[in-house]
Amino acid sequence: DTAVSQTPKYLVTQMGNDKSIKCEQNLGHDTMYWYKQDSKKFLKIMFSYNNKELIINETVPNRFSPKSPDKAHLNLHINSLELGDSAVYFCASSQSPGGPEFFGPGTRLTVL
Amino acid sequence: RKEVEQDPGPFNVPEGATVAFNCTYSNSASQSFFWYRQDCRKEPKLLMSVYSSGNEDGRFTAQLNRASQYISLLIRDSKLSDSATYLCAVNIRNNDMRFGAGTRLTVKP
Repeated sequence: DTAVSQTPKYLVTQMGNDKSIKCEQNLGHDTMYWYKQDSKKFLKIMFSYNNKELIINETVPNRFSPKSPDKAHLNLHINSLELGDSAVYFCASSQSPGGPEFFGPGTRLTVL
Repeated sequence: RKEVEQDPGPFNVPEGATVAFNCTYSNSASQSFFWYRQDCRKEPKLLMSVYSSGNEDGRFTAQLNRASQYISLLIRDSKLSDSATYLCAVNIRNNDMRFGAGTRLTVKP
């Protein structure tokens, strides 16, 4: 009965590969997000989706593409992985824009 | 100036101490404010929202000062279990939450 879930929890892959991370929330929230937390622990927003519409797209390389098949899911696809993509990626959701956000457990991505 | 700034600490305090963290933000149009707690290798978890009038939840008190553009978190009677990193979060516009880099707190016996 986890509120926000992500898979996989750990992902180790080689440079140049393509990978996806899945996220699901069962809170009935309207907005979902992807964050990246780097080795310095700085948490930075990457994308925000509200009712399946992209609201924010920060200065993120276009190798990263969010995909939302429905309101409860927001997946993150990454093409041509680079060493600098190694980080923890968190999915989150909120009931409404500007409301408190609830985070998934994170996906620790390591690019070798 | 960073959008959201926090003193990274670390703050090392004995059990029972009172400790306070501040967080400043640059966008005066920011609408909502929060404190999160993050344990090592875990996700951030909402600790409390911060309201204009200030709010309290047990040993935790949060305050907002719009004029000086900062929020604060006060922890009274610190417990060992309060050891964590505390992140402030500021919603600078809808769907755009900015987090501080976090303040590390260690409570010692």
